[in-house]
Amino acid sequence: GNSVTQMEGPVTLSEEAFLTINCTYTATGYPSLFWYVQYPGEGLQLLLKATKADDKGSNKGFEATYRKETTSFHLEKGSVQVSDSAVYFCALPARNSGNTPLVFGKGTRLSVIA
Amino acid sequence: EAEVAQSPRYKITEKSQAVAFWCDPISGHATLYWYRQILGQGPELLVQFQDESVVDDSQLPKDRFSAERLKGVDSTLKIQPAELGDSAMYLCASSLDKRSSGNTIYFGEGSWLTVV
Repeated sequence: GNSVTQMEGPVTLSEEAFLTINCTYTATGYPSLFWYVQYPGEGLQLLLKATKADDKGSNKGFEATYRKETTSFHLEKGSVQVSDSAVYFCALPARNSGNTPLVFGKGTRLSVIA
Repeated sequence: EAEVAQSPRYKITEKSQAVAFWCDPISGHATLYWYRQILGQGPELLVQFQDESVVDDSQLPKDRFSAERLKGVDSTLKIQPAELGDSAMYLCASSLDKRSSGNTIYFGEGSWLTVV
């Protein structure tokens, strides 16, 4: 099945710094790719998604571009805020056809300090 | 905005006792998932339902875990007997389209289980 690898954390940044969290995937074909965010004590929320190669997903100042050449979907934000402190998960469908669950990376914890 | 509802939010139980979690997915969502998230790790699928049928329970420890979705709406996940290693967050999620991959999955707030 498909799988995803994301950079290990924790990542600690100062407010207004640039953020990159790396994610690479292994899959047959070109599945949709997702970033989810989990705030302390809560469930996961969809942050952004891209459904085909070269697509850029964006939300709340975060962006990620689907790069089939490098099988990557890195998450970026130009200027992080304290409120962005959370755990970020890269995900993709377990298989490329049928009704399939998402598989998740191990998560990257981001701490933003004022 | 519609949400996936879960209860209880927190549960402390003694080893060897039974525990149950309930989930009500977003209205109209055909697919329901139960994931387990151990502290510091990503969620891992336990069981997937499409309507009232189990689609995938290959990772469900069936000697102690059971799940049902009798009317194809809400669902219950049960653990009996609970073991110390079951301490985790149990996440319920749902998605709308039952025909294709790449659907967005929507998660509930999760149920924290501590086994003592």
